Amino acid sequence: DAGVTQSPTHLIKTRGQQVTLRCSPKSGHDTVSWYQQALGQGPQFIFQYYEEEERQRGNFPDRFSGHQFPNYSSELNVNALLLGDSALYLCASKGRNVWTEAFFGQGTRLTVV
Amino acid sequence: QKEVEQNSGPLSVPEGAIASLNCTYSDRVSQSFFWYRQYSGKSPELIMSIYSNGDKEDGRFTAQLNKASQYVSLLIRDSQPSDSATYLCAASNSGYALNFGKGTSLLVTP
Repeated sequence: DAGVTQSPTHLIKTRGQQVTLRCSPKSGHDTVSWYQQALGQGPQFIFQYYEEEERQRGNFPDRFSGHQFPNYSSELNVNALLLGDSALYLCASKGRNVWTEAFFGQGTRLTVV
Repeated sequence: QKEVEQNSGPLSVPEGAIASLNCTYSDRVSQSFFWYRQYSGKSPELIMSIYSNGDKEDGRFTAQLNKASQYVSLLIRDSQPSDSATYLCAASNSGYALNFGKGTSLLVTP
């Protein structure tokens, strides 16, 4: 049973560029959330997708956008990258019941130079 | 601002001892609570979930929830060096977003 998978695992981008991160949810899960984790901090909620719609959004600027596909996989796009966007980006998936547990992928380490 | 607070540590315990990790939350309507373990450079791994007041046990782990005091704890019995990691406490009031604390670093010494 494949867990949550993310790609790529590491990425280096230049300030001002755009980046796309990808996530495939755990089998049987249809809800995908994205989190940003800076060094030494807890993960911060970016947004959650369910039925191809953004269901809730955290306190992140519009430079952060996402998409969910019919197969429940998801993308996180970040435009006009800033040095402060350097972080571990985590995807978490869960089942249809909103109170069920969320499971994380291995993350994408983004470095902006 | 909805906050989840944890002592950053490090919390150092000898091998075989009980490690006690604590967490408080400010959002009174939080309904679900989770403990995740995160090894350095890795992603968070779910350890326990708890939804009702009281204790929930799973192997060497016991989660405790007191909604009146807005307090969640995780006890790790017979601590092993492999338990050395950062433990993240998370709360949710909607079932959508998880609100995480900064984590407590646990070091189990042989």
